[in-house]
Amino acid sequence: FMLTQPHSVSESPGKTVTISCTGSSGSIASNYVQWYQQRPGSAPTTVIYEDNQRPSGVPDRFSGSIDSSSNSASLTISGLKTEDEADYYCQSYDNFHVIFGGGTKLTVL
Amino acid sequence: QVQLVESGGGVVQPGRSLRLSCAASGFSFSSHGLHWVRQTPGKGLEWVAVISYDGSNTYYADSVKGRFTISRDNFKNTLYLQMNSLRAEDTAVYYCAREGGWLQIVWSFDIWGQGTMVTVSS
Repeated sequence: FMLTQPHSVSESPGKTVTISCTGSSGSIASNYVQWYQQRPGSAPTTVIYEDNQRPSGVPDRFSGSIDSSSNSASLTISGLKTEDEADYYCQSYDNFHVIFGGGTKLTVL
Repeated sequence: QVQLVESGGGVVQPGRSLRLSCAASGFSFSSHGLHWVRQTPGKGLEWVAVISYDGSNTYYADSVKGRFTISRDNFKNTLYLQMNSLRAEDTAVYYCAREGGWLQIVWSFDIWGQGTMVTVSS
């Protein structure tokens, strides 16, 4: 089981961007999907857990969703800020193994 | 505050061993599973291993199974990763991360440490 993300996306400040995470087989909805943000030189932090839940402290500009028809999860960031520029990783699990997507570099310019 | 602090990284020759530690504070250590996740510089995240809250269950990535051992000391609030037969491809930043579940493994992470660098080189 693999999770595929676009290598990079870019958007302007104030706009909305969506990052996709597509499952290779089965149903991505079978197990929860998480999203992690990693700014340059820093450790990852959790921005979405259990498909669409935000940890305390994460602004509501971040939202997560699942689309069973395309077997994909999405992270949407609205009202983009320059501080959102980072790598974003989706994550799920399969057969007692954690699976990460390859990561998407978000550029806000 | 909730904190995970890794230590024990360094430069080691291929075939040798190294033990990483992760000291936890600010939460009920014995109620959460814990993971190790690594990242080769400039690359993506790779899960390494998980241990349940009481140490009774462990699971490993295929790339480290049989060479790495995850363990914990709930009296010392410390997580460990014993790494044997190290290879060049094990070179990475190693992060410990708290399991998102309470008294169960739900296969997600809610708190991450800052990482410790391991370099395997002759």
